[in-house]
Amino acid sequence: DQQVKQNSPSLSVQEGRISILNCDYTNSMFDYFLWYKKYPAEGPTFLISISSIKDKNEDGRFTVFLNKSAKHLSLHIVPSQPGDSAVYFCAAAVRTDKLIFGTGTRLQVFP
Amino acid sequence: DAGVIQSPRHEVTEMGQEVTLRCKPISGHDYLFWYRQTMMRGLELLIYFNNNVPIDDSGMPEDRFSAKMPNASFSTLKIQPSEPRDSAVYFCASRHTSTNYGYTFGSGTRLTVV
Repeated sequence: DQQVKQNSPSLSVQEGRISILNCDYTNSMFDYFLWYKKYPAEGPTFLISISSIKDKNEDGRFTVFLNKSAKHLSLHIVPSQPGDSAVYFCAAAVRTDKLIFGTGTRLQVFP
Repeated sequence: DAGVIQSPRHEVTEMGQEVTLRCKPISGHDYLFWYRQTMMRGLELLIYFNNNVPIDDSGMPEDRFSAKMPNASFSTLKIQPSEPRDSAVYFCASRHTSTNYGYTFGSGTRLTVV
């Protein structure tokens, strides 16, 4: 059973527009959420995170929103740039336990 | 620091053969994780170690898979015998206790079993 789900395998966005990547989870015990970015032939790298006590965290062009009642989080990228083209993984954890990742969403930003 | 180092980068093997994947974590990191990436399941945790001791191996798919960490600077993931459905990219990651979620991933090993 997949505790962290990313239902959109791919997303295509024009440069300069907003990219919204979505993630749903089933385990209400998760208290920390992260987004990782992965380029081809490289390992995933940390992008942004949010604690369950918050509903928003912002870092430059990247903002993560958390809706605990809906068990849903999203990553907003504004404005999108061609260099943002990558696979984005959502991940969650209970306290400092292991990270559980989703299936990933491939984002393509075109000119 | 050179980061997390995995070898080989690519491995092609025949069904039934033994495969060994290797990982050198970042020096000083006391947690080591093995993940497998597939289209269907995304990044799937196989096993993780703390101070060289296996803590959770519930993600290991079956007895054909085994992992060891003989010392703080080296870990192996072995598949014996390998099967075509084991084809995937295998990632190793490490972190230090002080950085709860600061995982550093290696570049992965792409395994193809024919």
